[in-house]
Amino acid sequence: EAGVTQFPSHSVIEKGQTVTLRCDPISGHDNLYWYRRVMGKEIKFLLHFVKESKQDESGMPNNRFLAERTGGTYSTLKVQPAELEDSGVYFCASSQAGRTYFGPGTRLTVT
Amino acid sequence: AQSVTQLDSQVPVFEEAPVELRCNYSSSVSVYLFWYVQYPNQGLQLLLKYLSGSTLVKGINGFEAEFNKSQTSFHLRKPSVHISDTAEYFCAVRPNSGGSNYKLTFGKGTLLTVNP
Repeated sequence: EAGVTQFPSHSVIEKGQTVTLRCDPISGHDNLYWYRRVMGKEIKFLLHFVKESKQDESGMPNNRFLAERTGGTYSTLKVQPAELEDSGVYFCASSQAGRTYFGPGTRLTVT
Repeated sequence: AQSVTQLDSQVPVFEEAPVELRCNYSSSVSVYLFWYVQYPNQGLQLLLKYLSGSTLVKGINGFEAEFNKSQTSFHLRKPSVHISDTAEYFCAVRPNSGGSNYKLTFGKGTLLTVNP
Protein backbone atom coordinates (compact mmCIF):
# COMPACT_ATOMS: atom_id res chain seq x y z
CA GLU A 1 0.00 0.00 0.00
CA ALA A 2 1.42 3.37 -0.99
CA GLY A 3 1.88 5.94 1.72
CA VAL A 4 1.09 9.63 1.68
CA THR A 5 2.90 11.29 -1.18
CA GLN A 6 3.69 14.94 -1.71
CA PHE A 7 4.86 16.87 -4.72
CA PRO A 8 7.19 18.58 -5.22
CA SER A 9 9.74 17.61 -2.62
CA HIS A 10 11.40 21.00 -2.91
CA SER A 11 10.31 24.31 -4.36
CA VAL A 12 12.26 27.54 -4.60
CA ILE A 13 10.30 30.59 -5.71
CA GLU A 14 10.63 34.34 -5.58
CA LYS A 15 8.56 36.56 -3.36
CA GLY A 16 5.31 37.40 -5.10
CA GLN A 17 5.13 34.23 -7.15
CA THR A 18 2.55 31.49 -6.81
CA VAL A 19 3.23 27.93 -5.72
CA THR A 20 0.92 24.93 -5.57
CA LEU A 21 1.72 21.97 -3.37
CA ARG A 22 0.05 18.64 -3.90
CA CYS A 23 -0.75 15.83 -1.51
CA ASP A 24 -2.03 12.36 -2.34
CA PRO A 25 -3.34 10.65 0.79
CA ILE A 26 -3.53 6.93 1.39
CA SER A 27 -6.35 5.56 -0.69
CA GLY A 28 -9.61 5.43 1.23
CA HIS A 29 -8.58 7.86 3.95
CA ASP A 30 -11.34 10.42 4.48
CA ASN A 31 -9.29 12.67 6.75
CA LEU A 32 -6.54 14.80 5.26
CA TYR A 33 -4.46 17.37 7.12
CA TRP A 34 -1.94 20.04 6.20
CA TYR A 35 0.74 21.08 8.66
CA ARG A 36 3.65 23.48 8.36
CA ARG A 37 6.98 23.82 10.06
CA VAL A 38 8.72 27.13 9.85
CA MET A 39 12.43 26.83 10.61
CA GLY A 40 13.14 26.54 14.32
CA LYS A 41 9.50 26.39 15.25
CA GLU A 42 7.03 23.65 15.98
CA ILE A 43 4.99 21.83 13.38
CA LYS A 44 1.69 23.67 13.22
CA PHE A 45 -1.71 22.57 12.03
CA LEU A 46 -3.09 24.41 9.01
CA LEU A 47 -6.33 22.67 8.12
CA HIS A 48 -8.33 19.47 8.06
CA PHE A 49 -10.48 17.97 5.30
CA VAL A 50 -13.06 15.28 5.75
CA LYS A 51 -13.51 13.98 2.25
CA GLU A 52 -13.90 17.12 0.14
CA SER A 53 -15.16 19.36 2.95
CA LYS A 54 -13.05 21.65 5.09
CA GLN A 55 -13.66 20.56 8.67
CA ASP A 56 -11.28 22.95 10.38
CA GLU A 57 -9.19 25.66 8.74
CA SER A 58 -8.36 27.55 11.91
CA GLY A 59 -4.62 27.21 11.32
CA MET A 60 -4.49 28.85 7.90
CA PRO A 61 -2.24 31.91 8.31
CA ASN A 62 -4.08 34.30 5.98
CA ASN A 63 -6.04 34.52 2.75
CA ARG A 64 -2.95 34.03 0.62
CA PHE A 65 -3.33 30.34 1.35
CA LEU A 66 -5.99 28.30 -0.44
CA ALA A 67 -6.51 24.59 0.07
CA GLU A 68 -8.73 22.36 -2.00
CA ARG A 69 -9.50 18.68 -2.09
CA THR A 70 -10.94 17.68 -5.40
CA GLY A 71 -13.51 14.90 -5.16
CA GLY A 72 -12.24 13.96 -1.74
CA THR A 73 -9.05 12.47 -3.13
CA TYR A 74 -5.85 14.48 -3.53
CA SER A 75 -5.43 17.94 -2.08
CA THR A 76 -3.63 21.07 -3.20
CA LEU A 77 -2.35 23.97 -1.15
CA LYS A 78 -1.78 27.15 -3.12
CA VAL A 79 0.17 30.12 -1.82
CA GLN A 80 -0.48 33.29 -3.79
CA PRO A 81 1.42 35.57 -3.61
CA ALA A 82 4.20 33.95 -1.63
CA GLU A 83 6.03 35.92 1.04
CA LEU A 84 9.39 35.29 2.70
CA GLU A 85 7.77 34.11 5.92
CA ASP A 86 6.00 31.32 4.03
CA SER A 87 9.26 29.41 3.79
CA GLY A 88 9.21 26.13 5.61
CA VAL A 89 8.30 22.48 5.29
CA TYR A 90 4.68 21.68 4.48
CA PHE A 91 3.52 18.28 5.65
CA CYS A 92 0.43 16.46 4.58
CA ALA A 93 -1.12 13.66 6.60
CA SER A 94 -4.06 11.36 6.19
CA SER A 95 -5.83 9.33 8.81
CA GLN A 96 -8.44 6.65 9.23
CA ALA A 97 -9.52 4.71 12.29
CA GLY A 98 -7.33 6.71 14.62
CA ARG A 99 -4.01 6.24 12.86
CA THR A 100 -2.30 9.19 11.17
CA TYR A 101 0.28 8.84 8.41
CA PHE A 102 2.51 11.67 7.31
CA GLY A 103 3.99 12.41 3.95
CA PRO A 104 7.65 13.34 3.46
CA GLY A 105 6.87 17.04 3.22
CA THR A 106 7.52 19.77 0.67
CA ARG A 107 10.32 22.16 1.49
CA LEU A 108 9.31 25.61 0.27
CA THR A 109 11.89 28.36 0.02
CA VAL A 110 10.76 31.87 -0.84
CA THR A 111 13.59 34.20 -1.82
CA ALA B 1 -6.24 24.30 23.71
CA GLN B 2 -3.10 22.25 24.06
CA SER B 3 0.59 23.07 24.13
CA VAL B 4 3.68 20.86 24.11
CA THR B 5 7.13 21.76 25.43
CA GLN B 6 10.22 19.83 24.48
CA LEU B 7 12.80 21.05 26.90
CA ASP B 8 15.88 20.22 24.84
CA SER B 9 16.31 21.41 21.28
CA GLN B 10 19.47 19.32 20.80
CA VAL B 11 20.76 16.24 22.58
CA PRO B 12 24.19 14.88 21.63
CA VAL B 13 25.11 11.46 22.99
CA PHE B 14 27.66 8.77 22.35
CA GLU B 15 26.73 5.46 20.80
CA GLU B 16 25.48 2.84 23.30
CA ALA B 17 24.71 5.49 25.92
CA PRO B 18 21.21 5.86 27.35
CA VAL B 19 19.10 8.81 26.32
CA GLU B 20 16.01 10.61 27.58
CA LEU B 21 14.16 13.19 25.52
CA ARG B 22 11.83 15.27 27.64
CA CYS B 23 8.30 16.32 26.82
CA ASN B 24 5.76 18.19 28.92
CA TYR B 25 2.30 19.16 27.84
CA SER B 26 -0.56 21.39 28.89
CA SER B 27 -4.19 20.74 28.10
CA SER B 28 -7.61 21.59 29.47
CA VAL B 29 -8.96 18.25 28.23
CA SER B 30 -7.72 14.70 28.31
CA VAL B 31 -5.29 13.89 25.55
CA TYR B 32 -3.56 11.11 23.72
CA LEU B 33 0.21 11.43 23.48
CA PHE B 34 2.60 10.60 20.68
CA TRP B 35 6.23 10.60 19.74
CA TYR B 36 7.15 10.95 16.08
CA VAL B 37 10.58 10.65 14.52
CA GLN B 38 11.90 12.26 11.38
CA TYR B 39 15.02 10.71 9.92
CA PRO B 40 17.09 12.84 7.52
CA ASN B 41 15.25 13.43 4.25
CA GLN B 42 12.24 11.41 5.33
CA GLY B 43 8.72 12.09 6.57
CA LEU B 44 7.38 11.84 10.10
CA GLN B 45 7.05 8.32 11.41
CA LEU B 46 5.10 7.26 14.48
CA LEU B 47 7.45 5.96 17.17
CA LEU B 48 4.90 5.21 19.88
CA LYS B 49 1.67 6.45 21.40
CA TYR B 50 -0.20 6.47 24.68
CA LEU B 51 -3.96 6.12 24.46
CA SER B 52 -4.90 4.47 27.75
CA GLY B 53 -3.91 1.65 30.08
CA SER B 54 -0.34 1.02 31.15
CA THR B 55 1.58 4.26 31.48
CA LEU B 56 4.75 2.66 30.11
CA VAL B 57 4.53 2.44 26.34
CA LYS B 58 6.95 0.57 24.13
CA GLY B 59 7.55 1.63 20.55
CA ILE B 60 9.66 0.75 17.58
CA ASN B 61 13.45 0.59 17.54
CA GLY B 62 13.73 -0.06 21.28
CA PHE B 63 12.22 3.25 22.41
CA GLU B 64 9.78 3.56 25.28
CA ALA B 65 7.96 6.42 26.97
CA GLU B 66 6.22 6.86 30.28
CA PHE B 67 3.08 8.90 30.74
CA ASN B 68 3.00 10.79 34.02
CA LYS B 69 -0.34 12.47 34.47
CA SER B 70 0.53 14.35 37.66
CA GLN B 71 3.62 15.87 36.06
CA THR B 72 1.97 16.16 32.63
CA SER B 73 5.02 14.56 31.08
CA PHE B 74 5.70 11.95 28.42
CA HIS B 75 9.46 11.48 28.32
CA LEU B 76 11.03 9.26 25.68
CA ARG B 77 13.85 6.87 26.62
CA LYS B 78 16.18 4.37 25.09
CA PRO B 79 18.71 2.42 27.16
CA SER B 80 21.35 2.19 24.43
CA VAL B 81 21.32 4.31 21.30
CA HIS B 82 22.77 3.57 17.87
CA ILE B 83 24.20 5.83 15.22
CA SER B 84 21.04 5.14 13.21
CA ASP B 85 18.90 6.80 15.91
CA THR B 86 20.22 10.17 14.82
CA ALA B 87 17.05 12.04 13.89
CA GLU B 88 14.66 14.71 15.05
CA TYR B 89 12.04 13.63 17.56
CA PHE B 90 8.69 15.30 18.03
CA CYS B 91 6.29 14.98 20.93
CA ALA B 92 2.63 15.59 20.10
CA VAL B 93 -0.80 15.48 21.71
CA ARG B 94 -4.38 15.50 20.55
CA PRO B 95 -7.69 15.52 22.40
CA ASN B 96 -9.06 12.08 23.12
CA SER B 97 -12.54 13.07 22.06
CA GLY B 98 -13.90 14.97 19.10
CA GLY B 99 -14.95 12.37 16.62
CA SER B 100 -12.82 12.30 13.52
CA ASN B 101 -10.69 15.34 14.33
CA TYR B 102 -7.21 14.01 14.84
CA LYS B 103 -5.50 17.42 14.87
CA LEU B 104 -2.12 17.11 16.52
CA THR B 105 -0.31 19.75 18.54
CA PHE B 106 3.45 19.36 18.33
CA GLY B 107 6.45 20.43 20.31
CA LYS B 108 9.40 22.15 18.64
CA GLY B 109 11.35 18.94 18.26
CA THR B 110 14.57 17.57 19.72
CA LEU B 111 17.49 16.81 17.47
CA LEU B 112 19.19 13.67 18.74
CA THR B 113 22.72 13.25 17.44
CA VAL B 114 24.46 9.97 18.21
CA ASN B 115 28.23 10.14 17.92
CA PRO B 116 30.60 7.18 17.58
